[in-house]
Amino acid sequence: GENVEQHPSTLSVQEGDSAVIKCTYSDSASNYFPWYKQELGKRPQLIIDIRSNVGEKKDQRIAVTLNKTAKHFSLHITETQPEDSAVYFCSQVAGANSKLTFGKGITLSVRP
Amino acid sequence: DTAVSQTPKYLVTQMGNDKSIKCEQNLGHDTMYWYKQDSKKFLKIMFSYNNKELIINETVPNRFSPKSPDKAHLNLHINSLELGDSAVYFCASSQRAGYGEAFFGQGTRLTVV
Repeated sequence: GENVEQHPSTLSVQEGDSAVIKCTYSDSASNYFPWYKQELGKRPQLIIDIRSNVGEKKDQRIAVTLNKTAKHFSLHITETQPEDSAVYFCSQVAGANSKLTFGKGITLSVRP
Repeated sequence: DTAVSQTPKYLVTQMGNDKSIKCEQNLGHDTMYWYKQDSKKFLKIMFSYNNKELIINETVPNRFSPKSPDKAHLNLHINSLELGDSAVYFCASSQRAGYGEAFFGQGTRLTVV
């Protein structure tokens, strides 16, 4: 019930193209879905989040969409740049103790 | 002014030894966490404390013992270290359990030889 599945595991795009990362979850009671970015050798950092009462949220070049019926949410990055290269984790808060659970991460490579 | 700080950053030790990792947050958050990140980058929750009380304990071997002397500190003690314990351990905190951004420490890279 608390698992979040993330796919694909790797993604390579040309600089300037868009990248889309999808995640699915199983706990219909989940109400908070943050996305974290982890650069090589660094700590994970929040880049955007969405709550279950919202379908879409945008912040400059990144956006997140949530489909509660289908239980999936996606991260969209437009006009990708080399500095977008990192591991991206989707996550959810679920369960009685509001556990923050992460997907397995996707390695995004932006080719110059 | 570091929000979540953990020490040491690197830890190399022999099998069978006992070691501790310390974590402190100056954000006034109620909830703190320990995550283990293995070589495949998977971030797995180990423990979560809310106001010094243990609220999440994820089937972690009892060689791992967290301690929270106050809500700003969460330490991790590991007994009888094994090769499989080698990983990066991240401490994190959030305003309250499952609410808002989780701020991560810099990580502690533990290598057991």
